Amino acid sequence: GNSVTQMEGPVTLSEEAFLTINCTYTATGYPSLFWYVQYPGEGLQLLLKATKADDKGSNKGFEATYRKETTSFHLEKGSVQVSDSAVYFCALANSGNTPLVFGKGTRLSVIA
Amino acid sequence: NAGVTQTPKFRILKIGQSMTLQCTQDMNHNYMYWYRQDPGMGLKLIYYSVGAGITDKGEVPNGYNVSRSTTEDFPLRLELAAPSQTSVYFCASSYSPPGTEAFFGQGTRLTVV
Repeated sequence: GNSVTQMEGPVTLSEEAFLTINCTYTATGYPSLFWYVQYPGEGLQLLLKATKADDKGSNKGFEATYRKETTSFHLEKGSVQVSDSAVYFCALANSGNTPLVFGKGTRLSVIA
Repeated sequence: NAGVTQTPKFRILKIGQSMTLQCTQDMNHNYMYWYRQDPGMGLKLIYYSVGAGITDKGEVPNGYNVSRSTTEDFPLRLELAAPSQTSVYFCASSYSPPGTEAFFGQGTRLTVV
């Protein structure tokens, strides 16, 4: 079946540090991959996505590249800000009436 | 632009009571989902629906029921509430996967005492 494994946190970084949150997946066929972000007290919102191999999703300085050979979709940002403090979820969507599948989430705290 | 609307936002239930969490979306999405998020934890899928009249169990369906009589609405019913159902509940919707974004409601914080 479809599954997502992401690195567990919490992750604490100083402002302007480099961020990597690892995400790997298991799926048949050609899934789409997503990163969602959840700010305190809110629902999830889409951060970025990639729908085919070698695609790079990007938004708000965050990037992730769909690597089929390593079944990975790692999230990166070159210089984090305090406002990036949130929980980040990697997710996978596949065809065939299957539901959206989420990783367990990684809590990021950025300190000034 | 309402998107996905959940009601209520907060609720306290006594053990053994029942309630319905409402979810409605105005984007004509065919897929809808219910997740629960326990404190400090990730999302667990309770039920999902791929279209009106079609529902399926997720990872943690016990103690819950759903129905999908219209495209817009996907209510979640809790029967005989238990403390283990204390959680934040999120409803989401999307067009058919795989490439489409899911939109989430703001959540319902439920406490069972």
